[in-house]
Amino acid sequence: AQTVTQSQPEMSVQEAETVTLSCTYDTSESDYYLFWYKQPPSRQMILVIRQEAYKQQNATENRFSVNFQKAAKSFSLKISDSQLGDAAMYFCAYRIADPGNQFYFGTGTSLTVIP
Amino acid sequence: EPEVTQTPSHQVTQMGQEVILRCVPISNHLYFYWYRQILGQKVEFLVSFYNNEISEKSEIFDDQFSVERPDGSNFTLKIRSTKLEDSAMYFCASSEVGGVETQYFGPGTRLLVL
Repeated sequence: AQTVTQSQPEMSVQEAETVTLSCTYDTSESDYYLFWYKQPPSRQMILVIRQEAYKQQNATENRFSVNFQKAAKSFSLKISDSQLGDAAMYFCAYRIADPGNQFYFGTGTSLTVIP
Repeated sequence: EPEVTQTPSHQVTQMGQEVILRCVPISNHLYFYWYRQILGQKVEFLVSFYNNEISEKSEIFDDQFSVERPDGSNFTLKIRSTKLEDSAMYFCASSEVGGVETQYFGPGTRLLVL
């Protein structure tokens, strides 16, 4: 069974500082994709970053980067130079690399950015 | 940038009533999905839809649920006889075919069953 675990229900970070959100997953598949989504108070989920499991290089999108450890089944999100607009619920998600397959979501981490 | 849209944003209904939630996926996407999020819980998959038929569904998606693509743009979720426990935020998503197939989510419909 595919499961996604986010062990940090809440995190806080000082503005301009760096924060890391953790995510682990369980799967027997070898080919899959991993995602981080941001859900601001307006409630629409927005893609932050994604990683193909076959790629060894960690994905980076501006201030957002991941630490993908395939053997450990770990996929953490690092937010550098945190901004007030980064405050949101962050969901880690996993999908098998078959067409049209569903996402499995973690329970989310609520990030507070302190001015 | 193209977006998934959903209507209504909020829906209040009486237990036992039928509701239809509407979604307009991104125009060149071919996979469509419904998810729900009960308050304080994780986002859960309901159903995926491709080529005018259900491709996958979860245990949650029982006989009271149905989906339809009535025309070239809309994708609907019908709940035939709502229960109190159907109260949740319902998200529609769509994705292209091929590659990573990132799913793009709509803003959600908050359904409250009284």
